[in-house]
Amino acid sequence: NAGVTQTPKFQVLKTGQSMTLQCAQDMNHEYMSWYRQDPGMGLRLIHYSVGAGITDQGEVPNGYNVSRSTTEDFPLRLLSAAPSQTSVYFCASSSETAYGYTFGSGTRLTVV
Amino acid sequence: LAKTTQPISMDSYEGQEVNITCSHNNIATNDYITWYQQFPSQGPRFIIQGYKTKVTNEVASLFIPADRKSSTLSLPRVSLSDTAVYYCLVGVPYSSASKIIFGSGTRLSIRP
Repeated sequence: NAGVTQTPKFQVLKTGQSMTLQCAQDMNHEYMSWYRQDPGMGLRLIHYSVGAGITDQGEVPNGYNVSRSTTEDFPLRLLSAAPSQTSVYFCASSSETAYGYTFGSGTRLTVV
Repeated sequence: LAKTTQPISMDSYEGQEVNITCSHNNIATNDYITWYQQFPSQGPRFIIQGYKTKVTNEVASLFIPADRKSSTLSLPRVSLSDTAVYYCLVGVPYSSASKIIFGSGTRLSIRP
């Protein structure tokens, strides 16, 4: 049972480039979310989803897009990378029968 | 969304009991209280969740007074491996309207 898998683990982008951070879970969880964590700070919610086809904005959605075409996958798209988006990104999932959220191991993104 | 307030940092010694208190004065009737633990370079890990009174599992206890405006995470007989950041969250788990918001957390340092 893999849990929540995030790829890539590390990424360096140039300003203005776009990319997609991948998140997949194999626990049949309805709820998935994306957070970013800046050095020494807490996690901030970017976008979340309560099921396939349903997404909503979190605290800091600007510059990011998401979609949820399947229960398993919840990719996060950076439209035009900026240095302010340098951060560690965590994906999480949960369900009504689970205790709390299960987090992935994170993607460390640097925008130069 | 209920805002939480926690101490920024705490220090203790191996073998001691550690209590971390979280204030959530505007907690709503349906909100639960959930605690997570985060080690460096890892995603947060669910510790314990409760609604009222006391909840205990194999790693911690959660004490919630009758007015629910605060809660206390209790870690019995801590070890060096308990050095981590601890987050208190308040919200309705698994709700379609739920945004799981993390605060800044409490950085717990355990000394030999």
